[in-house]
Amino acid sequence: GENVEQHPSTLSVQEGDSAVIKCTYSDSASNYFPWYKQELGKGPQLIIDIRSNVGEKKDQRIAVTLNKTAKHFSLHITETQPEDSAVYFCAAWATGGGNKLTFGTGTQLKVEL
Amino acid sequence: NAGVTQTPKFRILKIGQSMTLQCTQDMNHNYMYWYRQDPGMGLKLIYYSVGAGITDKGEVPNGYNVSRSTTEDFPLRLELAAPSQTSVYFCASRSPGQGGTGIYEQYFGPGTRLTVT
Repeated sequence: GENVEQHPSTLSVQEGDSAVIKCTYSDSASNYFPWYKQELGKGPQLIIDIRSNVGEKKDQRIAVTLNKTAKHFSLHITETQPEDSAVYFCAAWATGGGNKLTFGTGTQLKVEL
Repeated sequence: NAGVTQTPKFRILKIGQSMTLQCTQDMNHNYMYWYRQDPGMGLKLIYYSVGAGITDKGEVPNGYNVSRSTTEDFPLRLELAAPSQTSVYFCASRSPGQGGTGIYEQYFGPGTRLTVT
């Protein structure tokens, strides 16, 4: 089955700096890669996603890049703000692979003033 | 439109007790999922369902049971609670995919924090 590894497990940045979180996946059939943000005491919420026919996608301060050959994808947050502090999860999905998302272990991002 | 709702928010169980975690969605989604989240770990899939009357095991199904009698509801049952089942449980749902866009967004509930002592 699919295996998703996520790094780093914790990340601390100064407000205004950029943050990068990286994930690798094992199943070359995976073709959909969402990123979720989980605030304290809440369920994960989708913030951005990318499909395998696209190399990069951007939404305001958030961008995701995908390298299918190397089987890794990354989340980039620019101009970080305190409200970006949360746990971020990457995930991978293989359509036809049992309709299941496989999640990474999460990154605790802390944006310091 | 409430999305995915879960009850209860918190629960403390004694070893050997049983309980049902409730999950309801009002988006008419076919697919529903139960995950557990342990500290410092990602989300592990317990069970999932692709429609009413159809359920299947995920990565960590032992000690749990599910049923799906309606599209809206997907309860998770713990029969003999064990300390290893102390966790935060999330229910999620998604639509089959929006036409050619292949959008598979999963919507999560707020979670149930369960402690077994």
